[in-house]
Amino acid sequence: GAVVSQHPSWVICKSGTSVKIECRSLDFQATTMFWYRQFPKQSLMLMATSNEGSKATYEQGVEKDKFLINHASLTLSTLTVTSAHPEDSSFYICSATRTVNYGYTFGSGTRLTVV
Amino acid sequence: SQQGEEDPQALSIQEGENATMNCSYKTSINNLQWYRQNSGRGLVHLILIRSNEREKHSGRLRVTLDTSKKSSSLLITASRAADTASYFCATDFTGGGNKLTFGTGTQLKVEL
Repeated sequence: GAVVSQHPSWVICKSGTSVKIECRSLDFQATTMFWYRQFPKQSLMLMATSNEGSKATYEQGVEKDKFLINHASLTLSTLTVTSAHPEDSSFYICSATRTVNYGYTFGSGTRLTVV
Repeated sequence: SQQGEEDPQALSIQEGENATMNCSYKTSINNLQWYRQNSGRGLVHLILIRSNEREKHSGRLRVTLDTSKKSSSLLITASRAADTASYFCATDFTGGGNKLTFGTGTQLKVEL
């Protein structure tokens, strides 16, 4: 079945530094990838949608200059949290889809802690 | 916000009992999906039901969809302790560009 690898699974960084999270589709080409954010005991909130080779589309209220998304190939999308602050601490999850008919596959998530 | 509501927020049952979770949403959908999330982990896709379907089964799972009421339910029969997790519905709403919008989730605890 479709597998999405997300790395790292957890990261601790100092306030003011940047962190990059990778999302790879291992056995299929992902035309679209989605990035979500999840606070403890809450639901997933979509941050942005990225299509290979084009700029990401951000949801209302998500700062595109703070959360940089790159989808340079059909198997890799990255989310960079720039100048991270403690309030950015959260669980970030990516998902990838080939086409809607094939469904969505989620990565295992990255827990970011900013200290 | 397009986010759907789920109820109950939390559900605690004994092993062997059935668990029912409900999801309501706000706009027209292409399909509705149910996912499971173990604590601090990624999501596992459980089942997808299309807007023109009313009921779907997969193993111990039964999903219903009522588009007139904009609601869906997930029934887990003969629950097991391993079913303990959070369950989310997610809608692919019409005109949403294939984005999934997640409900608020139900935390299920199955006790031995």
